[in-house]
Amino acid sequence: EVQLVESGGGLVKPGGSLRLSCAASGFTFSSYSMNWVRQAPGKGLEWVSSISSSSSYIYYADSVKGRFTISRDNAKNSLYLQMNSLRAEDTAVYYCAREVYDILTGYLIDYWGQGTLVTVSS
Amino acid sequence: QSVLTQPPSASGTPGQRVTISCSGSSSNIGSNTVNWYQQLPGTAPKLLIYSNNQRPSGVPDRFSGSKSGTSASLAISGLQSEDEADYYCAAWDDSLNGRNWVFGGGTKLTVL
Repeated sequence: EVQLVESGGGLVKPGGSLRLSCAASGFTFSSYSMNWVRQAPGKGLEWVSSISSSSSYIYYADSVKGRFTISRDNAKNSLYLQMNSLRAEDTAVYYCAREVYDILTGYLIDYWGQGTLVTVSS
Repeated sequence: QSVLTQPPSASGTPGQRVTISCSGSSSNIGSNTVNWYQQLPGTAPKLLIYSNNQRPSGVPDRFSGSKSGTSASLAISGLQSEDEADYYCAAWDDSLNGRNWVFGGGTKLTVL
């Protein structure tokens, strides 16, 4: 069974930093691209960042570029998101999500973690 | 402002058929497949439809998807109370800035 378990969320002051982790199990983690997607309270889903299976390709949303860093450790089956210079508008539930690509079905985010809440407030 | 456009709300009575639209552009829906997610209150999104019209194992055939050009739609037939949730469309976007996922703003479905 595919499982994605996020941790590391919490309350942080504006300008502060936080590191999120996502522990993956139930699949060959090193074979999949992974994503972080966030959801502000009462709002919709917003893609944050993605990383390819070998970390060769990394992309960020404009809203977090230069402040957030995505990384992974395939030996530990773990995904990370280092968040610096946090702003109030970064307040959201952050989801770790697995991505699949197949030439027939195209790109797909198929599994999501339960999310971890990040609150940026003074 | 979300890249993909969905109506903010939809409603129907039990047994009815409802549809939710999703409008995009040539760089996302127009050139990539569309996926739909269901999010029940307080839970993570769950894959409902992938590759425009495919249902993952376990998703009832009451749910169906379609795509035409730069738009897609989700249809729910035989509406049930447990279908009350938020629904999101998503697609890969091949823009000049590189690759990224784009989502609709979500549609809150109310079963009257």
